[in-house]
Amino acid sequence: GQNIDQPTEMTATEGAIVQINCTYQTSGFNGLFWYQQHAGEAPTFLSYNVLDGLEEKGRFSSFLSRSKGYSYLLLKELQMKDSASYLCAVRAAGNKLTFGGGTRVLVKP
Amino acid sequence: DSGVTQTPKHLITATGQRVTLRCSPRSGDLSVYWYQQSLDQGLQFLIQYYNGEERAKGNILERFSAQQFPDLHSELNLSSLELGDSALYFCASSDPLGYTFGSGTRLTVV
Repeated sequence: GQNIDQPTEMTATEGAIVQINCTYQTSGFNGLFWYQQHAGEAPTFLSYNVLDGLEEKGRFSSFLSRSKGYSYLLLKELQMKDSASYLCAVRAAGNKLTFGGGTRVLVKP
Repeated sequence: DSGVTQTPKHLITATGQRVTLRCSPRSGDLSVYWYQQSLDQGLQFLIQYYNGEERAKGNILERFSAQQFPDLHSELNLSSLELGDSALYFCASSDPLGYTFGSGTRLTVV
């Protein structure tokens, strides 16, 4: 089976940086994904890592260490609209994604 | 518009009833994944279909069933509904960069 852990909630100030950690245990690892989900809406794709290292995409970056079963999502220059849940998901064989419980980020003025 | 279509958007029904949720994947996508998301919870995988056949099964209750039709649309059937079945139900298509989700069906059981 798979086990994915991420913090439940984080609070940060507008303009600051927040790092959301995700640890996982899985067999047949085939990629790690981060999604953003606003309340009541569908998750939307943010980033994808399959090799170790950092992927940067504008204000968002994601890091992966396969040997440590660890990833983080870095949100820079936080804006109020970044208040949302951030879901870490691991893909194994068969393309199925298993999601962590999500981290709710609250951005304060 | 993600290209993944779910209907209805909202559904309110009584305990003990049965409902059907519908999903049309993106054009050309053969896979459909169903997920349940209860209030303030993560996405729980229910079931996957690929080209009409069941491919993987998660923690799906026996009261729930699904199928994928020859035109690739899928239906999730929920029966003998309980209050705890109230949730958002998402379907998704897959591609090399993960999933594209439909907008979901919000089911409220009263």
